[in-house]
Amino acid sequence: KQEVTQIPAALSVPEGENLVLNCSFTDSAIYNLQWFRQDPGKGLTSLLLIQSSQREQTSGRLNASLDKSSGRSTLYIAASQPGDSATYLCAVRSTGANSKLTFGKGITLSVRP
Amino acid sequence: KAGVTQTPRYLIKTRGQQVTLSCSPISGHRSVSWYQQTPGQGLQFLFEYFSETQRNKGNFPGRFSGRQFSNSRSEMNVSTLELGDSALYLCASSLARTPDSPLHFGNGTRLTVT
Repeated sequence: KQEVTQIPAALSVPEGENLVLNCSFTDSAIYNLQWFRQDPGKGLTSLLLIQSSQREQTSGRLNASLDKSSGRSTLYIAASQPGDSATYLCAVRSTGANSKLTFGKGITLSVRP
Repeated sequence: KAGVTQTPRYLIKTRGQQVTLSCSPISGHRSVSWYQQTPGQGLQFLFEYFSETQRNKGNFPGRFSGRQFSNSRSEMNVSTLELGDSALYLCASSLARTPDSPLHFGNGTRLTVT
């Protein structure tokens, strides 16, 4: 059974800091890994999707890496801004006939001005 | 292009009642999946539909059911509501059922059971 862990549950950093959010998963049989952002009371916004054959994906100030063999992914946020404050979730899509997304519980990020 | 629309945004129900939530996917998207989000359990997969067929189901009791219509709109139903069913219910759509299709989420329906 796939399990996805995100530690710590919450993080507070000053504006301008570069930061790394971690995600680990137990089963390396995955199609892809996706990072999402969730603002309070809202749905999820997809940030980056990394296919199992890829090592990283970049979008603006965000860079996500994937090490499938070790069951780890990181989301790097450069030059953090108060507007980056949100909960960041990672999710893995397992292979197999009943492929489904398994989510971590998320990391709540607060960027202080 | 309109995003995923979920209605209603908020619902308050009493234990024992039943409830129906609605999801309209992005135009052209044929895959719809549902998730329950609670502070304790996080986001958990409920079920997935593609072209009106349920393709996958999570580990929830039979009180949770769903369906998809020919226009790809989807509904989920929860019968005999329990206090523990209080949660944010999220719907997501994607263009195809292939694993590499990104998911697009709605803003959810907040269900409170009293």
